Amino acid sequence: SAVISQKPSRDICQRGTSLTIQCQVDSQVTMMFWYRQQPGQSLTLIATANQGSEATYESGFVIDKFPISRPNLTFSTLTVSNMSPEDSSIYLCSVLLWETGELFFGEGSRLTVL
Amino acid sequence: AQKVTQAQTEISVVEKEDVTLDCVYETRDTTYYLFWYKQPPSGELVFLIRRNSFDEQNEISGRYSWNFQKSTSSFNFTITASQVVDSAVYFCALQGGKLIFGQGTELSVKP
Repeated sequence: SAVISQKPSRDICQRGTSLTIQCQVDSQVTMMFWYRQQPGQSLTLIATANQGSEATYESGFVIDKFPISRPNLTFSTLTVSNMSPEDSSIYLCSVLLWETGELFFGEGSRLTVL
Repeated sequence: AQKVTQAQTEISVVEKEDVTLDCVYETRDTTYYLFWYKQPPSGELVFLIRRNSFDEQNEISGRYSWNFQKSTSSFNFTITASQVVDSAVYFCALQGGKLIFGQGTELSVKP
């Protein structure tokens, strides 16, 4: 299995500011993803975090708003830029273990934008 | 395009009843994976099962069972003798390249 640590677990932010969420995995994994779960909704894939190169973004998500870094196989960050109340969500990091095919999720970062 | 449909938004049952959560998917991939996740009120996502597209055998794990039918593009999940602790939102997901989630079914098991 994989143990995923996300920081911060929750935060309250002011409109117009930016917040960076960190994701640390206890083992080297090939694939890391960032998801968003808006209140009462399902999970929506934001992007695939690629090690050493630019992330691959899904439709509706852009690098300027959600810059992602992945400097190595165990760590990634997601920044939510120029936040508005509509960005209030839970942001989840996930990793795929190829050996078992299981996709593990961090506990999420609950973001509230005032 | 890939799509996962969980038509049941909410289900409410009484403890000890059996309940089936439906999942229908669309994909053009010949190789893909199907998942079920549980999200209890505490919020964490709990992995339940992963099934690849070439394995249509039904699977049973304790009170949980899964029925995969490629002919109808369905991957349904049954909980036998439900318990209050089963109350959660259950997500079905499809992975071709990326993992796509259904909208979830909120299961409420009342004592």
